[in-house]
Amino acid sequence: EDQVTQSPEALRLQEGESSSLNCSYTVSGLRGLFWYRQDPGKGPEFLFTLYSAGEEKEKERLKATLTKKESFLHITAPKPEDSATYLCAVQATGGYNKLIFGAGTRLAVHP
Amino acid sequence: NAGVMQNPRHLVRRRGQEARLRCSPMKGHSHVYWYRQLPEEGLKFMVYLQKENIIDESGMPKERFSAEFPKEGPSILRIQQVVRGDSAAYFCASSPPVRFEQYFGPGTRLTVT
Repeated sequence: EDQVTQSPEALRLQEGESSSLNCSYTVSGLRGLFWYRQDPGKGPEFLFTLYSAGEEKEKERLKATLTKKESFLHITAPKPEDSATYLCAVQATGGYNKLIFGAGTRLAVHP
Repeated sequence: NAGVMQNPRHLVRRRGQEARLRCSPMKGHSHVYWYRQLPEEGLKFMVYLQKENIIDESGMPKERFSAEFPKEGPSILRIQQVVRGDSAAYFCASSPPVRFEQYFGPGTRLTVT
């Protein structure tokens, strides 16, 4: 069964303290891995798509990387406005287009 | 370019009533998806539609739930005879024809009393 596990469940950082969020996945065949950001009471906001092992994408203080079994979302020198829940999802080949989501990591960045 | 639009944003229904949730995809997007987020749980896929066709409904409960995406107008998720367990946030997403990333709307928060 296709599955996504994110860790840690929650992370508290001081402003400027870099860290990484983990997304482990098992899927029959990976079409793509997606990272989203979700603020309370809002819909998920698309951040990145990664398609193959070794691929990296960057956006401001965020960098996403992909291996054959996991993805990392690296946050460099975070600011309080980076506080949100970060969601990882996979799309399997042969599974039409549905996204299978992990439970998310709740990130809190304190000044 | 307007994003995915959903209405209503909040919906309160009594047990046994019907709930209708609407979703207008982004301009140029022909694929629509519905997901449900139960309290303290992750997002779960429900159904994937293209115009006038249901492509994948593997996540839809077998009873009381239905979805459509007509040739004209928004996609509709319909829940008949709602129960308290249907209380959740329902999100619609859309994607363009040849890309895989999905863009989400703000959600409809359904409360069943």
